[in-house]
Amino acid sequence: DSGVTQTPKHLITATGQRVTLRCSPRSGDLSVYWYQQSLDQGLQFLIQYYNGEERAKGNILERFSAQQFPDLHSELNLSSLELGDSALYFCASSVRRTGSDGYTFGSGTRLTVV
Amino acid sequence: GENVEQHPSTLSVQEGDSAVIKCTYSDSASNYFPWYKQELGKRPQLIIDIRSNVGEKKDQRIAVTLNKTAKHFSLHITETQPEDSAVYFCAAITPGGGADGLTFGKGTHLIIQP
Repeated sequence: DSGVTQTPKHLITATGQRVTLRCSPRSGDLSVYWYQQSLDQGLQFLIQYYNGEERAKGNILERFSAQQFPDLHSELNLSSLELGDSALYFCASSVRRTGSDGYTFGSGTRLTVV
Repeated sequence: GENVEQHPSTLSVQEGDSAVIKCTYSDSASNYFPWYKQELGKRPQLIIDIRSNVGEKKDQRIAVTLNKTAKHFSLHITETQPEDSAVYFCAAITPGGGADGLTFGKGTHLIIQP
């Protein structure tokens, strides 16, 4: 157990639907990062939050949004889902804003859009 | 922003031989270089990291070297074993960069042949 908790582990939904993925960072970590990993692809950075505020955006679609709550857990909302959104979605956390202490990844949520 | 190139994309070695994975980065201000190992369907896990004030770091069978002048760093695995089969990602971080967080390479699929 890495200390980063992601729920649900698996999600199957239909095109056009909306889902919410949840991440609880390691105790004491203030930064949360979201990554998308499609089949045989690398880790695509989506968005970062630090202590409740958005810090950086990567290749995140407008249909996707995220937030970090006062208790530091984060949610990634994916709407108007398309088949191409099927992927593993990882959350990672770190103590520092810059991540220079290293990331700890959660086990991921496998999203399948049918 | 930072750009990280990783080679090769696939590496097949005989069990017991050594494996070397190489990465180059673009931003000379980058100062933290972690390596992650991802087994099939699992989360990426930090296996070793190096900071810019160090040229080499070892941990049992794995080592990382950094050449700041050439802006490249490498992962070395000696006496490879079947459990070393995985995808390996290098990453770099630039403090104060426009987008906080690690920039990942595209990954190397390491295959250990029995």
